[in-house]
Amino acid sequence: RKEVEQDPGPFNVPEGATVAFNCTYSNSASQSFFWYRQDCRKEPKLLMSVYSSGNEDGRFTAQLNRASQYISLLIRDSKLSDSATYLCVVIPLFGGSQGNLIFGKGTKLSVKP
Amino acid sequence: GAGVSQSPRYKVAKRGQDVALRCDPISGHVSLFWYQQALGQGPEFLTYFQNEAQLDKSGLPSDRFFAERPEGSVSTLKIQRTQQEDSAVYLCASSYRTGSTPLSGNTIYFGEGSWLTVV
Repeated sequence: RKEVEQDPGPFNVPEGATVAFNCTYSNSASQSFFWYRQDCRKEPKLLMSVYSSGNEDGRFTAQLNRASQYISLLIRDSKLSDSATYLCVVIPLFGGSQGNLIFGKGTKLSVKP
Repeated sequence: GAGVSQSPRYKVAKRGQDVALRCDPISGHVSLFWYQQALGQGPEFLTYFQNEAQLDKSGLPSDRFFAERPEGSVSTLKIQRTQQEDSAVYLCASSYRTGSTPLSGNTIYFGEGSWLTVV
């Protein structure tokens, strides 16, 4: 089982829609959690960190459920410019991958006019 | 430079050929990482340097892969006797702190990657 699992999509949504992505992780000792965004043929860029209390940045809301080992990203009022691949990232505290960024496969979002 | 610079951006290699991929991190950044991203996959960790020391090479897929950072700045990832399964984007990233945790402003900056196709 991969350490970080995401639905690869694609999610095809109209402008203005609300869309949610989910991610699960297998290492219960995971320390830190993030969402990265990757545009086609470009490098990943940090979108936001994810905290247990939940955090919001404009139209983006991220949530972490440690008990269920589950991370989510909600995008409200989707824009065409939100079209990209969203990568769930976990940093384990222990184990072979300790301290490294562990990426999911990514979820592809396509926002249509 | 302003960001992490990688070269070549695109490389086509014949199977069996050796390749060398270069990463020029942001000046002053202590940590340097290499990741491999196959088509349709997320990036996978290859190796980590703190200055010139290679502290973790657990992700290198075989002994055909070798990385170095001799002066603690520029790094080279070398792949010997390339095979078709080596085709991927090789991403380099750097940060000014040790470790990879992008918290408290310790953002990890990725280069645009070197796209390797083995034919």
